[in-house]
Amino acid sequence: DSGVTQTPKHLITATGQRVTLRCSPRSGDLSVYWYQQSLDQGLQFLIQYYNGEERAKGNILERFSAQQFPDLHSELNLSSLELGDSALYFCASSVVPGAYEQYFGPGTRLTVT
Amino acid sequence: SQQGEEDPQALSIQEGENATMNCSYKTSINNLQWYRQNSGRGLVHLILIRSNEREKHSGRLRVTLDTSKKSSSLLITASRAADTASYFCATDSKRFGAGTRLTVKP
Repeated sequence: DSGVTQTPKHLITATGQRVTLRCSPRSGDLSVYWYQQSLDQGLQFLIQYYNGEERAKGNILERFSAQQFPDLHSELNLSSLELGDSALYFCASSVVPGAYEQYFGPGTRLTVT
Repeated sequence: SQQGEEDPQALSIQEGENATMNCSYKTSINNLQWYRQNSGRGLVHLILIRSNEREKHSGRLRVTLDTSKKSSSLLITASRAADTASYFCATDSKRFGAGTRLTVKP
């Protein structure tokens, strides 16, 4: 158990819908990362937050947005969902950004039908 | 685009053999990390090597880094069936490759 929690574990929704994925980082970690992993693919970095502020942006679509709240939990919002958005979405946290290991949550499996 | 690229994409060996996976990257880095992922699960951090280090060991794992060639290798010695997983390299924490899928046959 990494100490990072993600909810929900599974999500099935229809195209065009909007969903919110939630992540609680490990206690003491200030930085949160979001990743997307499609079937048999590597991890695509989406976005990173540090202490409530956006720190880095990766391949995040305009239809997606995220935020980190004062209690350090983070939410990833996916809207106007398409079939191709079906994937595993992972949240990870680290003490601070940079040269520190990340602790990954168990992921949310999103299926768009 | 991905920063790290692992090679080979898939590797199948017998228990007890050594497994070597390679990672190449494109731009200069501060550190490189290796992670392991069991099917459909979250990634688990294995080892971090900084740009001023050339080799690092952790148990049966040995990682090398060659910044002049922009490459790293992960060696798992005396492999076990439980080592079956996908292995990813990541540069500066965020840029992951597509991974090497390792299968260790008992």
